[in-house]
Amino acid sequence: NAGVTQTPKFQVLKTGQSMTLQCAQDMNHNSMYWYRQDPGMGLRLIYYSASEGTTDKGEVPNGYNVSRLNKREFSLRLESAAPSQTSVYFCALEGPGNTIYFGEGSWLTVV
Amino acid sequence: TQLLEQSPQFLSIQEGENLTVYCNSSSVFSSLQWYRQEPGEGPVLLVTVVTGGEVKKLKRLTFQFGDARKDSSLHITAAQPGDTGLYLCAAPHTGTASKLTFGTGTRLQVTL
Repeated sequence: NAGVTQTPKFQVLKTGQSMTLQCAQDMNHNSMYWYRQDPGMGLRLIYYSASEGTTDKGEVPNGYNVSRLNKREFSLRLESAAPSQTSVYFCALEGPGNTIYFGEGSWLTVV
Repeated sequence: TQLLEQSPQFLSIQEGENLTVYCNSSSVFSSLQWYRQEPGEGPVLLVTVVTGGEVKKLKRLTFQFGDARKDSSLHITAAQPGDTGLYLCAAPHTGTASKLTFGTGTRLQVTL
């Protein structure tokens, strides 16, 4: 997981609260991703960014926004958290040979 | 959406046993990757296979890409407790070189 730092590691939110998950890389790669992982569902792509200043929707973007203001950082925001957004969130970046490097994950519980 | 089905979903075996997990799809892929995820961590790439029929070995792990590039298998010989984890296959979305679709995973537990 070296090279991809996610914060916070754990978070509990009340329904309707907002929060931002932060992700930073020190590997100087262009493409960055946000995935969520749920039991029996595997990893599903929320949003991705091919380069600084560009973002695109993935498989499950509803309820989320992202921001890629510079090459190093890619943040994921929940504007009004819902219990269905309880999940483990992984930031990732793409290296040579389409290798995906994942962060250590952020465990989010919405009550 | 390209569906990657993995089987079995769960596998509990004793140290020293052999096992095979499968990743199947109806789609043809340009490449396929296998990742292992340990509890509390993110997935880590084990191998990438790109040629139909390709076999790659990583110590006691043997990966095979199907001839038609629609499926793959991972065989572990003489499993050890350190092999415990979630094994995920992943393949690129159609028309893109990146943006992987992940399978639902096989959770392996190896006990002494």
